Amino acid sequence: GAGVSQSPSNKVTEKGKDVELRCDPISGHTALYWYRQSLGQGLEFLIYFQGNSAPDKSGLPSDRFSAERTGGSVSTLTIQRTQQEDSAVYLCASSLGIMSSGSGYNEQFFGPGTRLTVL
Amino acid sequence: DAKTTQPNSMESNEEEPVHLPCNHSTISGTDYIHWYRQLPSQGPEYVIHGLTSNVNNRMASLAIAEDRKSSTLILHRATLRDAAVYYCILRGAGGTSYGKLTFGQGTILTVHP
Repeated sequence: GAGVSQSPSNKVTEKGKDVELRCDPISGHTALYWYRQSLGQGLEFLIYFQGNSAPDKSGLPSDRFSAERTGGSVSTLTIQRTQQEDSAVYLCASSLGIMSSGSGYNEQFFGPGTRLTVL
Repeated sequence: DAKTTQPNSMESNEEEPVHLPCNHSTISGTDYIHWYRQLPSQGPEYVIHGLTSNVNNRMASLAIAEDRKSSTLILHRATLRDAAVYYCILRGAGGTSYGKLTFGQGTILTVHP
């Protein structure tokens, strides 16, 4: 079946421009997560959605970052006035849901990522 | 979030078992132990998770110490395709932060033919 897809796969932009990154989760997955991985760094949590609401936005680096999810499906991560330090691979993941038990709910499926380069 | 400690790197030979250790001395009673791996140029991939008891699946086994302060991911027969960064992660079971995974630096596993 189809996995998590992300678009674009690569994005090169100039400093100061806005960018939108898109994530299509696996059909039926109610939870959606955004992470980023900078060069040589580990994965950094940004935000997650349960349905269309975001209970935890604690990982967003600044107010230039925002994310939304509509219809309980597609999510968009927007970065305004991009800076060079925003350059990273942005990864999206989805899971069946968020529960305290049940193996199926614990597994996050990751997409291939969007490589963002800010010049 | 409770932290985990893993060796920076490990090496193995193909067809041999691999034991990847993880220390999590500050684990709370409701924290789940998750393992993910990341192959080169790919997103992370779920491997296994557990709470208290040892777990087995088609990919690996997870051995959890009785006091839960450490765990070991066991790959029974390493293949070249198992070369990846392996992350040991603790995930809380409540609150608004329930859904997030906090990745550390992980262990780089090299498998020699």
